[in-house]
Amino acid sequence: QSVLTQPPSASGTPGQRVSISCSGSTSNIGSNTVNWFQQLPGTAPKVLIFTNNQRPSGVPDRFSGSKSGTSASLAISGLQSEDEAIYYCAAWDDSLNGLVFGGGTNLTVL
Amino acid sequence: QVQLVQSGAEVKKPGASMKVSCEASGYTFKSYYLHWVRQAPGQGLEWMGMINPIGGGTTYARKFQGRLTVTTNTPTTTVYLELSSLRSGDTAVYYCTRSIYDNSGHFDYWGQGTLVAVSS
Repeated sequence: QSVLTQPPSASGTPGQRVSISCSGSTSNIGSNTVNWFQQLPGTAPKVLIFTNNQRPSGVPDRFSGSKSGTSASLAISGLQSEDEAIYYCAAWDDSLNGLVFGGGTNLTVL
Repeated sequence: QVQLVQSGAEVKKPGASMKVSCEASGYTFKSYYLHWVRQAPGQGLEWMGMINPIGGGTTYARKFQGRLTVTTNTPTTTVYLELSSLRSGDTAVYYCTRSIYDNSGHFDYWGQGTLVAVSS
């Protein structure tokens, strides 16, 4: 059972916009910044979004992040086949004094 | 360029200890916290702990306190993960990663991962 709650799966067709939610509490998302990671099969995770809504250089602007209260979302517009991956949210938890991840969302491009 | 290069795969017996290394290069070693994150087969990511290369202060996830030791060797810019009393549930890929702030979770570079299998 992960501290941050994500839907286990999501899907969309090429060109569509999909959104992945991440629900937490006042001790994690409500107090700290949220990061999103993309993991392709057999590879290390890669940061997509940091500090709620910042994109590292090289990440397409099709990816965007937002946060409101104790929840956050990752949106992917103009969905492409190469976006098929598992997406994780993460935030520091002040009560646990550690970083917590969501359980991951497996995105399928139909 | 920034690189985090980890040691190779290992097979361990239950009850044994493991030690995985991660050599950092391409940046000022003391400027970033170093973290360990693991992923059991078919499962999600799990943060284990971190170390501040300045002073060596550590923070561990509660689940691993008492079994986990993270250390650094500054001259060789290497961080180590040592986990004791291994059980089958510790079978996982172990990743090292870095962040500029201790509690940001902004992991911008990752090692390639080290598979540790615990089996009798």
